[in-house]
Amino acid sequence: DGGITQSPKYLFRKEGQNVTLSCEQNLNHDAMYWYRQDPGQGLRLIYYSQIVNDFQKGDIAEGYSVSREKKESFPLTVTSAQKNPTAFYLCASSIAARDNSPLHFGNGTRLTVT
Amino acid sequence: AQSVSQHNHHVILSEAASLELGCNYSYGGTVNLFWYVQYPGQHLQLLLKYFSGDPLVKGIKGFEAEFIKSKFSFNLRKPSVQWSDTAEYFCAVRGYSSASKIIFGSGTRLSIRP
Repeated sequence: DGGITQSPKYLFRKEGQNVTLSCEQNLNHDAMYWYRQDPGQGLRLIYYSQIVNDFQKGDIAEGYSVSREKKESFPLTVTSAQKNPTAFYLCASSIAARDNSPLHFGNGTRLTVT
Repeated sequence: AQSVSQHNHHVILSEAASLELGCNYSYGGTVNLFWYVQYPGQHLQLLLKYFSGDPLVKGIKGFEAEFIKSKFSFNLRKPSVQWSDTAEYFCAVRGYSSASKIIFGSGTRLSIRP
């Protein structure tokens, strides 16, 4: 079955540590995205990538970094500079950046930083 | 800049009642519009989408939405809700000139009383 795999489902870290969230897709989609979901705030775009080796900042990129070395993978690193990292993180993909294609979402990773 | 407003944060209805969830967006050009749904414990999935043509769009499970360009609105409707419609609903917009950037509203939680 094609889809998006986010791992792990739950992640716990101590404050001051960087942590990397995994996102893999086997849908052969060009575009991939990272959103953060907080209660009452919906989904906010962190970073997105339209093609391999290219990515753009979303609305809340500060304290985060990404890489897109392979088409199927778009890992997100939450750095110690992110002031409020505890959240639910969603990865998504779509067929092509400029196409009228909707997003396909993974099941998310819940990160807790204490 | 793009933005999406969902004014209803939590809606409570009885089964068989009619539903309308509001969505207004801010963007100066042509847009693609989406409604996504997140059932309890499940990942986000596409409910319906508008790209062009008939402004009344029909989606899965009896949902429909109407694009009113003059009002920058894309309200979601269902004539008769069921208990299984209990979920969180998100409106999203992609502006043509902003490539793949898809912006979400804050979401509306729908609770259906059996």
